[in-house]
Order: sequence, then structure tokens, then C-alpha cells
Amino acid sequence: DAKTTQPPSMDCAEGRAANLPCNHSTISGNEYVYWYRQIHSQGPQYIIHGLKNNETNEMASLIITEDRKSSTLILPHATLRDTAVYYCIVRGLYGGSQGNLIFGKGTKLSVKP
Amino acid sequence: EAQVTQNPRYLITVTGKKLTVTCSQNMNHEYMSWYRQDPGLGLRQIYYSMNVEVTDKGDVPEGYKVSRKEKRNFPLILESPSPNQTSLYFCASSISGANVLTFGAGSRLTVL
Repeated sequence: DAKTTQPPSMDCAEGRAANLPCNHSTISGNEYVYWYRQIHSQGPQYIIHGLKNNETNEMASLIITEDRKSSTLILPHATLRDTAVYYCIVRGLYGGSQGNLIFGKGTKLSVKP
Repeated sequence: EAQVTQNPRYLITVTGKKLTVTCSQNMNHEYMSWYRQDPGLGLRQIYYSMNVEVTDKGDVPEGYKVSRKEKRNFPLILESPSPNQTSLYFCASSISGANVLTFGAGSRLTVL
């Protein structure tokens, strides 16, 4: 059962903001939204996470809608090195989604010169 | 350096020959998990462990076994590998639930 839905692919021009959407309409109150990215066949790397407030770190910003049913990962100034597959997952503090994580296929972001 | 270490990184084996892919973390994490990645199918969870001696099936556990006898180690066992288990495998760990996952570098397994 897919807990999140992401577009399979997106393009972005270098230097522009990349906005990657994620739908998690069945999210529970105790579940966080996490974003990871995978460059080539390397191990996925953590980007950012949030519960209900918008979050920002040195890599990206995360915007979560008020109803928490969707979110957007923003890479403010995409570079060629941001070309990767981006995964959005939900993970709970307790219950099944604490351990059983569903990554799905993610969004393949291609940053073009 | 805090890390998740998988071995071997690459392995070619034959059908039916038992093998173990090791996973070790040095961060005192309670949670550990295994995933396989196949073209077009994304990352799929095989097994996970919330703590020592506690393991649960993920979405694709068939053909795999795991054990968690120590906190730092979570080996993935293929008792009788088959060609459909040819895949890229990742191990990951986190402090506990709802925490950031740290992934290993991956193990590419080919079963002939």
C-alpha cells in the first residue's frame, strides 16, 4: 500500500528552484514526513523532515499543507549535483509506520544546464 | 565516523548457495532494516528490527531471513538464493522510530 504519491520524473533548470510535490492524504497525526534522495545507486541520504510546520535547513525547505495531506520539497537553487531520485515517506512515532517504511519509486529529478 | 557498513559490496553467486550479507552500525541505533532496489520498482523493505531480538517482515520478505542478536548487527540471510533475488540491497538504521535513517553503501548481488 503506497502511503505517498510522487510524480515519476521532473526537470529543472540549473539555478532555478526545484519544487517536488508529495501526496500523503492518509497521513496520521503521529506521522512525520521525511525526504531522502539517492544519487545514482548510492545509499539514500536524508534531506529534511517535518510534522506540521514548515522546515528549512541548509539543503532544502519543506512546506507541509495545513491539512498535512501533501507537502513540497524545495531546492532553492538547483545545481547539476542535485540530479537524483527523491523519496518522500511518512514515518510514525508508533504503530506500523514506525518500522514498516514504504519508499516507493520516488521522483527522478533532472537538473539541466 | 558514524556509519552503516555492509559486506560484501559486490557478490556473484549461484542458485541455491546460501549466503549472508552483513550489516553493522556503530551508532548504537535501536532500529535496523533491509531494502532491495530493482529497476522500475523503487526501494522495497524486506525486514526490519525495532530492537535486539525483535524482527518483523516488511513488504517483500519471501526468500530472506534475518536475525538481531546484537544491537549493532543485522545480517540478511538468503538460505537458497534464486535469480529473482538478483538486486541491489541496502541496510539502514536509526535511533528509534520517527528518526532519521542512515543507509549503508549498498550490496549488489547477482544470482546465476
